[in-house]
Amino acid sequence: SQQGEEDPQALSIQEGENATMNCSYKTSINNLQWYRQNSGRGLVHLILIRSNEREKHSGRLRVTLDTSKKSSSLLITASRAADTASYFCATCPSGTYKYIFGTGTRLKVLA
Amino acid sequence: EPEVTQTPSHQVTQMGQEVILRCVPISNHLYFYWYRQILGQKVEFLVSFYNNEISEKSEIFDDQFSVERPDGSNFTLKIRSTKLEDSAMYFCASSLQGYNSPLHFGNGTRLTVT
Repeated sequence: SQQGEEDPQALSIQEGENATMNCSYKTSINNLQWYRQNSGRGLVHLILIRSNEREKHSGRLRVTLDTSKKSSSLLITASRAADTASYFCATCPSGTYKYIFGTGTRLKVLA
Repeated sequence: EPEVTQTPSHQVTQMGQEVILRCVPISNHLYFYWYRQILGQKVEFLVSFYNNEISEKSEIFDDQFSVERPDGSNFTLKIRSTKLEDSAMYFCASSLQGYNSPLHFGNGTRLTVT
């Protein structure tokens, strides 16, 4: 697997449902971040979780991090049509100053 | 809210030509990055830049690529002799710190090499 691999690749849900996306990575990290990208636009930072944190919340977003399994999940609760976008995890491997992005999950929320 | 701006939004060039992609990072940020995204594919790291020098670069960032911060505000990516496979969306990003700091992205320059 690559450093930063999201699962599933695509997800289609009804408005109001929760959406869960997973990210796996290979190396030890300083932190993990989640980003959102609307089609043809730049990436927007959603949330950062440090390697010594296990869970973080921001509004309707909940992120977990399991460094022993080298995995993270992003939960979007009560999804809205406006949440339709691609979601990427990005890891900063320890000892580096670069962020490696995953392959992304394309989320479609149906109204 | 301050933002990263990139120009042009779309650049069309012929194979073998030189292109310069321009970015204005957020003014108090210290770390600068270039990424690229081939249509529908993953976001690939190209280079990071701090204190007027390259911090890290990927294997993609070969001798055809160079970066520069010519003044206090601009950050540029130059591709000396473009190839068809350089066609992609190029994103500039900046951050306040090197890590534990979110990246702020511009809206990208779509480069089309014909």
